[in-house]
Amino acid sequence: GAGVSQTPSNKVTEKGKYVELRCDPISGHTALYWYRQSLGQGPEFLIYFQGTGAADDSGLPNDRFFAVRPEGSVSTLKIQRTERGDSAVYLCASSLGLAGGNNEQFFGPGTRLTVL
Amino acid sequence: AQSVTQPDIHITVSEGASLELRCNYSYGATPYLFWYVQSPGQGLQLLLKYFSGDTLVQGIKGFEAEFKRSQSSFNLRKPSVHWSDAAEYFCAVGPMDSSYKLIFGSGTRLLVRP
Repeated sequence: GAGVSQTPSNKVTEKGKYVELRCDPISGHTALYWYRQSLGQGPEFLIYFQGTGAADDSGLPNDRFFAVRPEGSVSTLKIQRTERGDSAVYLCASSLGLAGGNNEQFFGPGTRLTVL
Repeated sequence: AQSVTQPDIHITVSEGASLELRCNYSYGATPYLFWYVQSPGQGLQLLLKYFSGDTLVQGIKGFEAEFKRSQSSFNLRKPSVHWSDAAEYFCAVGPMDSSYKLIFGSGTRLLVRP
């Protein structure tokens, strides 16, 4: 596709439920990133993939959060036992080649998660 | 700890007026520096970036930013604002040792008066 796409655009769930958020990066981009943007804040780094492997997951807040990228393209962010504090916009980005400041991160429109 | 400060939550300017959005960072070494714009329903778009060299950086849409090491600042400027510039603007740094891990400020919302 022309850009990074994320589905769904909006997700409403109940506290304690499990959710999956999907990211389709730009074709050919080997690096993929997840960020979380809470209301009134800038995005916060969650995890970075290079190919299929999570190269840096230091931003994941706790073990309820997990992300996969099994074929080195599409990625899924999984949140177990959702809490109201997980409500935020989850952003995905991708970049060409090895991750680094030199490689521009292209962001998707985000998935707005609301936990009731 | 590394941090990025955007002291202005909101800024309102008249169309055609000049604009300056402030950004200060706290980091031991000069990091990579970025400005992004976020419009409603759209992803973050990179306006410009600074790695090294000339401290005045030109970006897209007529924006520029100046890196001032002594002030740890990277302010964004535009000489004449257009109504379509109304959006949220984020300053970000990429630490030298993990430059992919962007650290964003909390953003400045720009409103443009007709």
